Amino acid sequence: EAQVTQNPRYLITVTGKKLTVTCSQNMNHEYMSWYRQDPGLGLRQIYYSMNVEVTDKGDVPEGYKVSRKEKRNFPLILESPSPNQTSLYFCASSFTRPGTGFYEQYFGPGTRLTVT
Amino acid sequence: DQQVKQNSPSLSVQEGRISILNCDYTNSMFDYFLWYKKYPAEGPTFLISISSIKDKNEDGRFTVFLNKSAKHLSLHIVPSQPGDSAVYFCCQGGSEKLVFGKGTKLTVNP
Repeated sequence: EAQVTQNPRYLITVTGKKLTVTCSQNMNHEYMSWYRQDPGLGLRQIYYSMNVEVTDKGDVPEGYKVSRKEKRNFPLILESPSPNQTSLYFCASSFTRPGTGFYEQYFGPGTRLTVT
Repeated sequence: DQQVKQNSPSLSVQEGRISILNCDYTNSMFDYFLWYKKYPAEGPTFLISISSIKDKNEDGRFTVFLNKSAKHLSLHIVPSQPGDSAVYFCCQGGSEKLVFGKGTKLTVNP
């Protein structure tokens, strides 16, 4: 089954304690990205990766790091989490729909992070 | 400033009637417009798209209309069903990224 998996699904942590949210896809997609969803703000892109070893900032990259050492995995790293990073996080992988120029994104189930 | 605007946070319609979700945008550089649907506790799923060179795209009960002069697009769902109750995100897409609106919560009442 084609899917994007994220772990953990729920996480409560304290300020300053480094954490990693893993993301893995089994569709051999080149493009992957991370979003956060906040009430009243919709989905905002944090980082994206066009391919292995190629990453770039999205709209809200501050406080986050990513790496793309292999095609299937795209972990999100919070070196020193703060309460304003409490949010619902989605990983997505994408392919270019044939005959078009846009990326159709498959989203993971989400990770709800609370930083106290 | 917000690039993709969904000015209605919520919409409630009766089963069988038409649901119309609206979206305005400011940046005309993107080539595609898309709608994603999101149920609680799940990730968004792709629903329908439209190229910037078209003004209408239809897929079953879902039709998206694009008015480039007004920088406006809308999603029509006919007939609406209770299972359509979800949050709908309008977004613009290009070769590298998607820009999402804040979403509209649709409730279809039986």
